[in-house]
Amino acid sequence: ETGVTQSPTHLIKTRGQQVTLRCSSQSGHNTVSWYQQALGQGPQFIFQYYREEENGRGNFPPRFSGLQFPNYSSELNVNALELDDSALYLCASSQGVGNIQYFGAGTRLSVL
Amino acid sequence: TQLLEQSPQFLSIQEGENLTVYCNSSSVFSSLQWYRQEPGEGPVLLVTVVTGGEVKKLKRLTFQFGDARKDSSLHITAAQPGDTGLYLCAVTLSGGSYIPTFGRGTSLIVHP
Repeated sequence: ETGVTQSPTHLIKTRGQQVTLRCSSQSGHNTVSWYQQALGQGPQFIFQYYREEENGRGNFPPRFSGLQFPNYSSELNVNALELDDSALYLCASSQGVGNIQYFGAGTRLSVL
Repeated sequence: TQLLEQSPQFLSIQEGENLTVYCNSSSVFSSLQWYRQEPGEGPVLLVTVVTGGEVKKLKRLTFQFGDARKDSSLHITAAQPGDTGLYLCAVTLSGGSYIPTFGRGTSLIVHP
């Protein structure tokens, strides 16, 4: 148990829909990073939030957006879902940027 | 082109066997991390190597960072079914933001 919780655990959407995934960071952690892990791949960095501000972004289109709240929990929003968005979405929290990350178990998103 | 090339991609062995997995790149890194991801879970950090030629041991796992800090290896002695999982190497790209980059991983299955 890392103390990082993600919801929901599984989600099925259809192409064109929008989705919101949620992450509660470990107590005391102020930094949250989101990753997309396609089947048979390593996690791909989407973006990171540090103290409610975006602090780095990977090579993902603007329809991937996020938010971090004052309690450091975070949301990942994906608009206009595409079939290739089907993946495991992982959230990781840390105490500061560049420190050890603790991952949640992920949300499995299927886009039909 | 992957920044980090991991090999082999898949490995299926019997309990008690030894194995080595590799993480290679043409780039030089200040540090490199190894993670293990079990089915249905997020990655868990095993070790960070920092110094060229560094060797770290974690019970039956031995990690080595190449002298030139471009590659790393993970050796498991007397593998057990509990070692089953996806082994990922990762580095942090700098340049203003903290961008974690993972390899595709080596999927290990240890049969009883």
